[in-house]
Amino acid sequence: GDSVTQMEGPVTLSEEAFLTINCTYTATGYPSLFWYVQYPGEGLQLLLKATKADDKGSNKGFEATYRKETTSFHLEKGSVQVSDSAVYFCALPNQAGTALIFGKGTTLSVSS
Amino acid sequence: EAGVAQSPRYKIIEKRQSVAFWCNPISGHATLYWYQQILGQGPKLLIQFQNNGVVDDSQLPKDRFSAERLKGVDSTLKIQPAKLEDSAVYLCASSFVNPQAGTDTQYFGPGTRLTVL
Repeated sequence: GDSVTQMEGPVTLSEEAFLTINCTYTATGYPSLFWYVQYPGEGLQLLLKATKADDKGSNKGFEATYRKETTSFHLEKGSVQVSDSAVYFCALPNQAGTALIFGKGTTLSVSS
Repeated sequence: EAGVAQSPRYKIIEKRQSVAFWCNPISGHATLYWYQQILGQGPKLLIQFQNNGVVDDSQLPKDRFSAERLKGVDSTLKIQPAKLEDSAVYLCASSFVNPQAGTDTQYFGPGTRLTVL
């Protein structure tokens, strides 16, 4: 079945460091891909999405490019801030195209 | 615009007791989802409603879990009787239009953290 695999965390970085969180997927066809973020004590929020191959989603300095050749959707940010500390989830729709299938999440901790 | 509301935020019960969670989606959102998020894992869909009808409940443990959305607005998820493995965060989400293939944005509530002792 369709699935998402994220890199294991936690990821610990200093402020202004470069961030990469890896995400690969298995799916039939070319579904839309999503990154959600969960800040401490809050619900999940959509961070960015891409709807077709080679699309680049971007928001708040984060970027991810839909790579069908490598079935990947890695999340990147050039300079992280303490406020980026959160759990990041990669996701894709289930085969019915309704609900989302999430990866296990990657915890990011940024220190000043 | 108000977000997805959930209550309570925290609940502690003993095994074999019952518990209920409430969700009020964003106004006008026809689709409502309940997800279960076990510690260290991503959320997993329990049930999806379109207005007051069930679209997908294939992952809902129906021997102990039930959910309803009688008037097509707010929803209640119930567990009876609870087991230790039900300890998790229960997330409610809603979306505006009929779900398309991965293009519809889901908006999540803050969740209810359930601890079963």
